[in-house]
Amino acid sequence: RKEVEQDPGPFNVPEGATVAFNCTYSNSASQSFFWYRQDCRKEPKLLMSVYSSGNEDGRFTAQLNRASQYISLLIRDSKLSDSATYLCVVNLDGTASKLTFGTGTRLQVTL
Amino acid sequence: ETGVTQTPRHLVMGMTNKKSLKCEQHLGHNAMYWYKQSAKKPLELMFVYSLEERVENNSVPSRFSPECPNSSHLFLHLHTLQPEDSALYLCASSQGKLLAGGYEQFFGPGTRLTVL
Repeated sequence: RKEVEQDPGPFNVPEGATVAFNCTYSNSASQSFFWYRQDCRKEPKLLMSVYSSGNEDGRFTAQLNRASQYISLLIRDSKLSDSATYLCVVNLDGTASKLTFGTGTRLQVTL
Repeated sequence: ETGVTQTPRHLVMGMTNKKSLKCEQHLGHNAMYWYKQSAKKPLELMFVYSLEERVENNSVPSRFSPECPNSSHLFLHLHTLQPEDSALYLCASSQGKLLAGGYEQFFGPGTRLTVL
């Protein structure tokens, strides 16, 4: 089992659609979880942290399911500008500084 | 000045060359990182420096040699690389060591390296 696993996609959705990505992680003791966004040929940027109680930022909702060891990202009312690769990131073993990245899920929003 | 800068942005080198990648952060952070991003693979953490001390070396071959002269600068010295080392090398910085709550890592734009 991969340490952090994501469906690579691509997910092709029309503008206005709702799309959800899941990500599974291998270590039940993992403490910190994040979604990063990476545009084509650009660096990753933090989209949002994922808290135990779930959190929402505008059209984006992140959830954590510790029992099943996955996190999710829901994007409502997709915009063309949401087209990017979404990276699931986990601090797997609680070691200071070490983040483990998934391969990313590519989203393409179309007219 | 943008938060994390990297130079050069593109580098082509032969297997016998020696070159260095440079990273500079203007955010007052005290932890810096080198990552490697290859096509269709996840980002791989290579090195972590915290307060100028190397705290992580993820079994990186010795042909990659990091240097952190101060908390704002990070170098990656390259020598006798292989074609499979061609990738995007990303530098990142964060406020401190990652704790349970997590500290955001800010990435530079990367150096796209091609080894011939």
